Amino acid sequence: DTAVSQTPKYLVTQMGNDKSIKCEQNLGHDTMYWYKQDSKKFLKIMFSYNNKELIINETVPNRFSPKSPDKAHLNLHINSLELGDSAVYFCASTYGGGETQYFGPGTRLLVL
Amino acid sequence: AQTVTQSQPEMSVQEAETVTLSCTYDTSESDYYLFWYKQPPSRQMILVIRQEAYKQQNATENRFSVNFQKAAKSFSLKISDSQLGDAAMYFCAYRITQTGTYKYIFGTGTRLKVLA
Repeated sequence: DTAVSQTPKYLVTQMGNDKSIKCEQNLGHDTMYWYKQDSKKFLKIMFSYNNKELIINETVPNRFSPKSPDKAHLNLHINSLELGDSAVYFCASTYGGGETQYFGPGTRLLVL
Repeated sequence: AQTVTQSQPEMSVQEAETVTLSCTYDTSESDYYLFWYKQPPSRQMILVIRQEAYKQQNATENRFSVNFQKAAKSFSLKISDSQLGDAAMYFCAYRITQTGTYKYIFGTGTRLKVLA
């Protein structure tokens, strides 16, 4: 069973389009995260949700809008995609009191 | 500022040999967790080892061990008996408390090559 899953794994799209990435975890965790990994492999946190509530928003452009319909899901919608949005996006989850994050397989986004 | 520094962008090791990856961090917290993650070409982030800052004993997981120096804010990873499957990017990270939740800060990574 996959603990943290993301769809799609690959996404190729044109500049200006709107796209969504979905994340689901079946670990019973209450905290979920979105990270962006750029071409230099730098992993930077974007958002954190705890029990469907936005807790961390790391000065991400408002073209990025996370949504958490329940604590097992955290989706990322991106409007008006730009070339600089090309990256690998990772979802992760943890139990609020726990110390270890579990990562999804990543979604490679390529904006042309 | 909360930062994690990995000063070695790339390291190489011969198969069966030992290699140490360095990591330093900056935090004002006294209680935190430290991690090493491995990212192979499949890009999956895999937890290698973790260390609680309040524990003096260095964590060990099979061939992987850490040298945790709290006063120096240093957290290096030692890989013994290196195997070809160890080739990957390795990220050092720590967890801090922010706005009632936990935030993880990652270093820039060290690419490890294992030579046959």
